[in-house]
Amino acid sequence: DAKTTQPNSMESNEEEPVHLPCNHSTISGTDYIHWYRQLPSQGPEYVIHGLTSNVNNRMASLAIAEDRKSSTLILHRATLRDAAVYYCILSGGATNKLIFGTGTLLAVQP
Amino acid sequence: SAVISQKPSRDICQRGTSLTIQCQVDSQVTMMFWYRQQPGQSLTLIATANQGSEATYESGFVIDKFPISRPNLTFSTLTVSNMSPEDSSIYLCSVARLGIEQISYEQYFGPGTRLTVT
Repeated sequence: DAKTTQPNSMESNEEEPVHLPCNHSTISGTDYIHWYRQLPSQGPEYVIHGLTSNVNNRMASLAIAEDRKSSTLILHRATLRDAAVYYCILSGGATNKLIFGTGTLLAVQP
Repeated sequence: SAVISQKPSRDICQRGTSLTIQCQVDSQVTMMFWYRQQPGQSLTLIATANQGSEATYESGFVIDKFPISRPNLTFSTLTVSNMSPEDSSIYLCSVARLGIEQISYEQYFGPGTRLTVT
């Protein structure tokens, strides 16, 4: 399974944009890039996924580098409720497994 | 989306005993998975629960210790056998449906079962 590298922690101010980086230099052509987040005392929840093109949904945007070796999750206006551990995960092929790394702990200051 | 419930939500068990955790989904799903999250750690995939056949275990996990059943498309159980304090963790099930090209784009996670072994 291809590996991802994320900063251990990041801090943001409320109502400001947050850019969460992820490096995945060994990504294969069929790997999708998934982002999940885990709020305190809850199971992970899906945020967004992409393959090659940038993606937007109601929660966030995903910017994927042209060579696909890195990506950035963008929260356009952080709220206190966005404080969570954010996981960048590569998944592809028939197994559809998600292998979680250590993620980035995002703290949001009021 | 999918609504997932797990029973029990938490339990305290004595070492050497076994606990069976249930995962129920509100609609049929293609894939079901079991994860473990030890205190302060990330999630570790235990196995993929296959309907009507033996589960597919990840490295470091074996059927004798974590037997899994999946009798239909909405239900699965994970048993933690012969427990020791090292098994104290949160156990989560997740589900996914397969979309185009047999790829699942979203997994939905249950609330977890918090297990403490004394």
